[in-house]
Amino acid sequence: DAKTTQPNSMESNEEEPVHLPCNHSTISGTDYIHWYRQLPSQGPEYVIHGLTSNVNNRMASLAIAEDRKSSTLILHRATLRDAAVYYCILSNYGQNFVFGPGTRLSVLP
Amino acid sequence: DSGVTQTPKHLITATGQRVTLRCSPRSGDLSVYWYQQSLDQGLQFLIQYYNGEERAKGNILERFSAQQFPDLHSELNLSSLELGDSALYFCASSMGLAGDSYEQYFGPGTRLTVT
Repeated sequence: DAKTTQPNSMESNEEEPVHLPCNHSTISGTDYIHWYRQLPSQGPEYVIHGLTSNVNNRMASLAIAEDRKSSTLILHRATLRDAAVYYCILSNYGQNFVFGPGTRLSVLP
Repeated sequence: DSGVTQTPKHLITATGQRVTLRCSPRSGDLSVYWYQQSLDQGLQFLIQYYNGEERAKGNILERFSAQQFPDLHSELNLSSLELGDSALYFCASSMGLAGDSYEQYFGPGTRLTVT
């Protein structure tokens, strides 16, 4: 399975944008890039996913590098509720979602 | 609320015992996934079912088994329990066969404690 690398932790101030990076240098052509987050004491929650083009939804934006070896999850205005562990996952036809340790995001008021 | 329900919320049992965890997917979802989350191993994919058939296997122990029933609910059976099986067990569901197109919706989890 293709692996991803994320920083262990990041900090952000409330109402400021947050850029969460993910490296996936061994990504294959059919791998989709997924982002999930896990709030304390809850199950993971879908954030966004994409294949090649940048994607936007109501929660976040996903910027994918042209060579697809890295991507960035962008939270446009962080709120205290966004404090969570963010997971970047590669999935080839839905097989074996591999959750790494993720990035623990702290949001400071 | 993701629409995925899991029962029970908490389960405490002794080593050597057998337990069954139950999951009801979101209405209309055909795929069910099981994950285990422990402090030292993180979130690990166990197994996936699609419309009653096993589709993918992850790091699932031989002591564990699962099935998906005609009404699409799923059960995860854990037997000969060991202390190391203590963990949060999550169920997720998605609409289609491939997780690449369809996001997974996770339930609240079942916390298993083996004493």
